[in-house]
Amino acid sequence: AQRVTQPEKLLSVFKGAPVELKCNYSYSGSPELFWYVQYSRQRLQLLLRHISRESIKGFTADLNKGETSFHLKKPFAQEEDSAMYYCALQTNAGKSTFGDGTTLTVKP
Amino acid sequence: NAGVTQTPKFQVLKTGQSMTLQCAQDMNHEYMSWYRQDPGMGLRLIHYSVGAGITDQGEVPNGYNVSRSTTEDFPLRLLSAAPSQTSVYFCASSYSGTQPQHFGDGTRLSIL
Repeated sequence: AQRVTQPEKLLSVFKGAPVELKCNYSYSGSPELFWYVQYSRQRLQLLLRHISRESIKGFTADLNKGETSFHLKKPFAQEEDSAMYYCALQTNAGKSTFGDGTTLTVKP
Repeated sequence: NAGVTQTPKFQVLKTGQSMTLQCAQDMNHEYMSWYRQDPGMGLRLIHYSVGAGITDQGEVPNGYNVSRSTTEDFPLRLLSAAPSQTSVYFCASSYSGTQPQHFGDGTRLSIL
């Protein structure tokens, strides 16, 4: 069975501070991992996928297979980063599993 | 392109009523999924489809039916609405299971 755990439901940081949103997964195969973001009054959208290894809006995420983690990081948080963030594990069989989500608030 | 379109955006039902939530995509995606979003529980997969004519159950399928007669459409049917089905429902599509999903705006459903 596949499982995704986001241990923090709420995370609050000050503008300019580093931020890390944690994601751990369990899956017997080779995982395809994603971070999706939902800004207020907008639809869920892709933020990052592990295979691309790129930085989007200053966020990065590294897949650590040894620790089965895919934490999302940004060195300097901005107020516009306030949103709900979901970590997701997807498989080619079509079955996706999302974490419970982390609501990030960046205070001025 | 419209992307993923869900209708209606809001709906109030009485217990025992049935209804269909519509989902259409214009990106020629093979994979489509239905999720429900409840506070503190993230997105839970209800049903999914890997192509026309093929559907499968997700994590929370009870009380819901789906069909996939065309690539574009993936309707979700509530057979006999219950208050526990009060939720926000999202439809998503992707080119394959390992490609990013595109989401609709959601349907906010209340069962009284």
